[in-house]
This record gives sequence, structure tokens and C-alpha cells, in this order.
Amino acid sequence: DTGVSQDPRHKITKRGQNVTFRCDPISEHNRLYWYRQTLGQGPEFLTYFQNEAQLEKSRLLSDRFSAERPKGSFSTLEIQRTEQGDSAMYLCASSLVSGGRAYNEQFFGPGTRLTVL
Amino acid sequence: GENVEQHPSTLSVQEGDSAVIKCTYSDSASNYFPWYKQELGKRPQLIIDIRSNVGEKKDQRIAVTLNKTAKHFSLHITETQPEDSAVYFCAASSRENYGQNFVFGPGTRLSVLP
Repeated sequence: DTGVSQDPRHKITKRGQNVTFRCDPISEHNRLYWYRQTLGQGPEFLTYFQNEAQLEKSRLLSDRFSAERPKGSFSTLEIQRTEQGDSAMYLCASSLVSGGRAYNEQFFGPGTRLTVL
Repeated sequence: GENVEQHPSTLSVQEGDSAVIKCTYSDSASNYFPWYKQELGKRPQLIIDIRSNVGEKKDQRIAVTLNKTAKHFSLHITETQPEDSAVYFCAASSRENYGQNFVFGPGTRLSVLP
């Protein structure tokens, strides 16, 4: 499968613990996005990278959340001191933006479902 | 910032009938509108998209229409089949906002009854 992959697929943790998720985008894609999706809602934008640069962060992204994409390939999303309200599906997406083309399809990964007890 | 509303939240149709899902957006700078289909337990997948310089786009049984003046766009599925049952999300994106991330609507759960 050459699509976007995410690891782990499921994570159960206790409140106050730190968790880290990984996303591997489609190999030639230069843009990587993180979204959060709660039950019955559409994905909500968290942050995105162009290559290794983090170019935008949503106001939803509290200081307990941090994301990295150190070599412009895979990305990690860390949540520190998890709270029950962090329980959600965390989706990663990637796209290829090049030349004068403004928009390209975002391909989503299968997501990491986080449950905070 | 952009706000996307979507109606209805649930929709049931008989197999073979048409289904229409409507979305409105608030940011007049938005100029790209994708539609994603998400089956239960699976990732969202793009089914069709439209750019602001086009009023309508069709791909087999699926079509999308855009009214920039009224700031709304709609998804039309004809000759529905049971495999069309899923949650459908519309989204809007602006080159000027959020670096081309998408603002999604809350979704429409479509059920196609055999």
C-alpha cells in the first residue's frame, strides 16, 4: 500500500500521560496536514507542513500539542498531559503542491483513534 | 475565518433515487470545494471537487454545482446504489486562509435503502 499510513491505529491512555502519533505521507508529497475528527463531525484542521516547515497552526492547537516533520518526510504529533477532551480520531493527510497549481487533492491516512481514560 | 454548514445531517433514499446534499460557506475568498466520502471505519476519500471558476462539474453519477454569489455548493448523486451509503463531507479552502487546509462541514450520513 503506497498511501498515507499512520501508527498506531488505536491508542488508549490515561489522563495526564503523553502520547505520540506518527504519519508517513505518500513519498513524493511535500505537504502534510494533521486533522482531528470527533464523532459526528467533519475533520478539523490542526496544523500543516510544507516539507519540514510548519507553516500554519490552528487556534485549536493548544500548547500541549506539538508536531514535527524533521526531514520533510514522516511527521509526529505529540500530545502532552492528555485530557479526556483529547479523545478523537487524529487524521493525517498529504498532498503535492507544485508550480502554479494552487490546490491538489489531499489523501488521508486511516487515522489514529485516541481514547483518554 | 471560514465556516461551512451542511444539510441535511442524515438522508435516506431508495435505491435508484437521487440524493442532494447542500453546503454553504462564509468566506468569499474560498475558491476550492472538495467533497469527501467516508465509509464506516475508513479514511475520507475525495469523490469530486470544483474550483471557483467553474459552475458545475460531473463525473458519471456524481455532480457538483457551485453558486459563488450565494456562497453555496451542492453534491448530486443520481441512480443511488447501496454502496453509496456513507458519510459525505463538503469542504472549502482558500489560498489566502489557512495555507490551503480545508474547513469541513459536519457531514451528511446517506443511507441508500435496497
